[in-house]
Amino acid sequence: KAGVTQTPRYLIKTRGQQVTLSCSPISGHRSVSWYQQTPGQGLQFLFEYFSETQRNKGNFPGRFSGRQFSNSRSEMNVSTLELGDSALYLCASSWGGTGELFFGEGSRLTVL
Amino acid sequence: ILNVEQSPQSLHVQEGDSTNFTCSFPSSNFYALHWYRWETAKSPEALFVMTLNGDEKKKGRISATLNTKEGYSYLYIKGSQPEDSATYLCAFTTGNQFYFGTGTSLTVIP
Repeated sequence: KAGVTQTPRYLIKTRGQQVTLSCSPISGHRSVSWYQQTPGQGLQFLFEYFSETQRNKGNFPGRFSGRQFSNSRSEMNVSTLELGDSALYLCASSWGGTGELFFGEGSRLTVL
Repeated sequence: ILNVEQSPQSLHVQEGDSTNFTCSFPSSNFYALHWYRWETAKSPEALFVMTLNGDEKKKGRISATLNTKEGYSYLYIKGSQPEDSATYLCAFTTGNQFYFGTGTSLTVIP
């Protein structure tokens, strides 16, 4: 059974640019959630999608957005990048949202 | 914003030692408490999902307990091995979203 796949794994952007990250969940999982990890911080919840609908949203500015497609694949977008957006972005899929989370290996974003 | 705290932040133990970590979370609006193990350069993997007060779960040498009334969970590792070296994360959920602690980094010295 294929795991959660995130692309790209690494990327470098400059301030003001935008970035799109992709997450392919485990087959059959309808919930995809996104997390940001910065040094010294726990995983910070960004948002969760279930069946193409955003169900929950964390405390992040509107520059952070996401969507989910009919095949449950999800993308997150960060516009007008800031230096502080440099982080590891993890996505996780699950059956229903609050059960066991299955994580991808993450996308490491560096903003210069 | 709900606060989930883990202690200690890091731990170095000798191979064969037993160890334990703590996760503290709000005692209200409890839905579930998860423990994840995160090895370097890999993705976090679930160890336990705990939902009932008094729950005790075990997987090999690793076990966990849950007290929802006072808002804490303990993770125990018996006879630590070098392959147990990882960051251990706990996550509290109200049923809407997950709140993660900053983790306990365990290093087992051979």
